[in-house]
Amino acid sequence: DQQVKQNSPSLSVQEGRISILNCDYTNSMFDYFLWYKKYPAEGPTFLISISSIKDKNEDGRFTVFLNKSAKHLSLHIVPSQPGDSAVYFCAASDNYGGSQGNLIFGKGTKLSVKP
Amino acid sequence: GAGVSQSPSNKVTEKGKDVELRCDPISGHTALYWYRQRLGQGLEFLIYFQGNSAPDKSGLPSDRFSAERTGESVSTLTIQRTQQEDSAVYLCASSLGWDNEQFFGPGTRLTVL
Repeated sequence: DQQVKQNSPSLSVQEGRISILNCDYTNSMFDYFLWYKKYPAEGPTFLISISSIKDKNEDGRFTVFLNKSAKHLSLHIVPSQPGDSAVYFCAASDNYGGSQGNLIFGKGTKLSVKP
Repeated sequence: GAGVSQSPSNKVTEKGKDVELRCDPISGHTALYWYRQRLGQGLEFLIYFQGNSAPDKSGLPSDRFSAERTGESVSTLTIQRTQQEDSAVYLCASSLGWDNEQFFGPGTRLTVL
């Protein structure tokens, strides 16, 4: 039973437009959410996070929105750039900071940004 | 600066053989994690080390899997009597402490024939 779901395996966006990556979760105990970005042959790298006490966190072109009632979060990238092309993993934790290996990952969404 | 490194980058083995995967964490990071990603799946937690405490082995899928870490340095993940379903990318991550960002290595791609 998947606790973190990324229902879109892939997404294609034109350069300069907005990319929206979605993530749903089932465990109401999750209190911290993270997005990781992964290029081929490299490990995932941390992108942005949000705690359950917030509904929005912004860092440059990246914004994460959290809707606790819907158990849904999304990552917005504006404007999208070709270098953003990667696999994006949503992860959740029930232990603030994602410690102790309690990160539960989704399957990932492959984003392709076309010039 | 040096990040998390893993070796080998690729490993092909025959079913039934034992394999050993190595992880060198970032110097000074007390926490170390092993994950695996099977084809079409998300990252799956395997085991977690924090300093000299007993490791959290709750994610290990069977007793064929074991891992060791000496102090706050290198860790090895051992898979005995490998099966085809063990084929995956095995990722190691380290962090400064229990509530700090995890930094991932590039992974070891294991193929069991």
